[in-house]
Amino acid sequence: SYELTQPPSVSVSPGQTARITCSGDALPKKYAYWYQQKSGQAPVLVIYEDSKRPSGIPERFSGSSSGTMATLTISGAQVEDEADYYCYSTDSSGNHRGVFGGGTKLTVL
Amino acid sequence: EVQLVESGGGLVKPGGSLRLSCAASGFTFSSYSMNWVRQAPGKGLEWVSSISSSSSYIYYADSVKGRFTISRDNAKNSLYLQMNSLRAEDTAVYYCARGLELDPWGQGTLVTVSS
Repeated sequence: SYELTQPPSVSVSPGQTARITCSGDALPKKYAYWYQQKSGQAPVLVIYEDSKRPSGIPERFSGSSSGTMATLTISGAQVEDEADYYCYSTDSSGNHRGVFGGGTKLTVL
Repeated sequence: EVQLVESGGGLVKPGGSLRLSCAASGFTFSSYSMNWVRQAPGKGLEWVSSISSSSSYIYYADSVKGRFTISRDNAKNSLYLQMNSLRAEDTAVYYCARGLELDPWGQGTLVTVSS
């Protein structure tokens, strides 16, 4: 079955740039989406269609995709950005089944 | 304001059934595909199922195929998940989420499968 691979954890100091990667064989053909989930809360979309930012999401959040890897970048990470981040996409077969990466715990301290 | 509110979770014995509902408001429900996503305690997100706006296209994760059925009632602005033959590993918070972008999400409803 199709898989998306993320690092389990990323740690940065406040004000530094955090980069979270997501690799998957279908990413050259399928969009990546990124979600932020803070403890005890529902996930929130922070990037859609590889690089677009929904309204209300701070400009420090950006996304990119190249080949089989998508990247979520948080420029000037803040303490409040500490959360779990998940990438999401669909497989490249005709069945359009969704798949999430395993999640990355971002620590900002 | 766009809002999704899940309901129907609870404690059920292995082999039992449960029907989850997701009530949508604040947008034209019939124009969007919808999804169910679950999260086991302390674990990551798992996509469960999706349904197109007119119910023409339905997809399931392998882990639930043949046991779960997704459906919707556009007249009632509601999404459903019928869960049969429940297993301990189905224990999770179940979220509904709107559209291809999975945005927004509801607050979730907890399903616990235990004897």
